[in-house]
Amino acid sequence: IAGITQAPTSQILAAGRRMTLRCTQDMRHNAMYWYRQDLGLGLRLIHYSNTAGTTGKGEVPDGYSVSRANTDDFPLTLASAVPSQTSVYFCASSELAGGGYNEQFFGPGTRLTVL
Amino acid sequence: GQNIDQPTEMTATEGAIVQINCTYQTSGFNGLFWYQQHAGEAPTFLSYNVLDGLEEKGRFSSFLSRSKGYSYLLLKELQMKDSASYLCAVRDSNYQLIWGAGTKLIIKP
Repeated sequence: IAGITQAPTSQILAAGRRMTLRCTQDMRHNAMYWYRQDLGLGLRLIHYSNTAGTTGKGEVPDGYSVSRANTDDFPLTLASAVPSQTSVYFCASSELAGGGYNEQFFGPGTRLTVL
Repeated sequence: GQNIDQPTEMTATEGAIVQINCTYQTSGFNGLFWYQQHAGEAPTFLSYNVLDGLEEKGRFSSFLSRSKGYSYLLLKELQMKDSASYLCAVRDSNYQLIWGAGTKLIIKP
């Protein structure tokens, strides 16, 4: 593994189904993030984790949950998918939370369609 | 509310120079980032400004004026591979990134 991986690459899901998007990083970064990207809108933060064992809500957390049991993994779960959750989902990580030259590195994304 | 504004689309010619502007209104300021995103791919980091002035990195430069809430990304000697979306993001008082919708740059031969 090099960097951040996400799975699946794409998924078509029936409304009402439960779905977990997986994200794994091997850079030993403390902070991890989940974004969604929709046409005409900027990336929007769903949930974040500043360090293993802690999570926080971003701008659009409703309908999503996360966990951070260890440094490397940060899964995003949709408990009961709805069509408005159709989007491209990006996982990202940064060495630290907070300020400074602290760029975020992005995974390749998961394209999710909810019908 | 928090707001990041960028032009939706710009067109430029191979070999030329283009300037992509970004204006922002956010709750606090802890740095401004520019990312490049090719179609169907993940964003990749280009530059970071936290103090006023120009940061130069090869063909790319980024400028910041905190008093004006303004930044620009300058791309010189444009190449076809520079065709991509360019995303401006501001780190706010909670140290979270607020993103603009991105500027799609089209390079013509």
